[in-house]
Amino acid sequence: ETGVTQTPRHLVMGMTNKKSLKCEQHLGHNAMYWYKQSAKKPLELMFVYSLEERVENNSVPSRFSPECPNSSHLFLHLHTLQPEDSALYLCASSQGESYNEQFFGPGTRLTVL
Amino acid sequence: QQQVKQSPQSLIVQKGGISIINCAYENTAFDYFPWYQQFPGKGPALLIAIRPDVSEKKEGRFTISFNKSAKQFSLHIMDSQPGDSATYFCAARGSNYKLTFGKGTLLTVNP
Repeated sequence: ETGVTQTPRHLVMGMTNKKSLKCEQHLGHNAMYWYKQSAKKPLELMFVYSLEERVENNSVPSRFSPECPNSSHLFLHLHTLQPEDSALYLCASSQGESYNEQFFGPGTRLTVL
Repeated sequence: QQQVKQSPQSLIVQKGGISIINCAYENTAFDYFPWYQQFPGKGPALLIAIRPDVSEKKEGRFTISFNKSAKQFSLHIMDSQPGDSATYFCAARGSNYKLTFGKGTLLTVNP
């Protein structure tokens, strides 16, 4: 595997379910990000981890819970989501917090019923 | 202040033509302006980027023009090809190093 990978690629869940999104980067980077991409809206930064510590939490509802066990892996735990949370969730990584070049994964298409 | 306004929302160009996408911003603290290209089913990928001390940057068929006084920057794709059909996002980096993205432009290049 190369670059940034995300699993699953598609996820359908009910409002009462608990699921997790996984991201893995194979680039040796030390910063990782979660973004939300909704149709006709700008990419929304959700969380930033640098050296496995959360350095940014962009006023995201508590039903989204990130976890970064090491510099290569990032999770987004989901519980009691709302239909408006349906979107493409993108993971990205970069070398350092300079945010210069972020490498994105292909995303997880989430549908909340 | 953190907004980046991108236009047009969609663009159709004939093969060989010039595609132009524009972005405008308000925050004078932005110090780095990248453009990302996203194909269906893929994440965005960095295409080209510019810093505000330069008025133009060219990489192959892709050129960024930057007008600091007008707080505008644009992406020009010369000799547009069907393979360039994608969604393009402009972005700007603020003093807190966060990237603020535009809403995106869906480019279709007809053969």
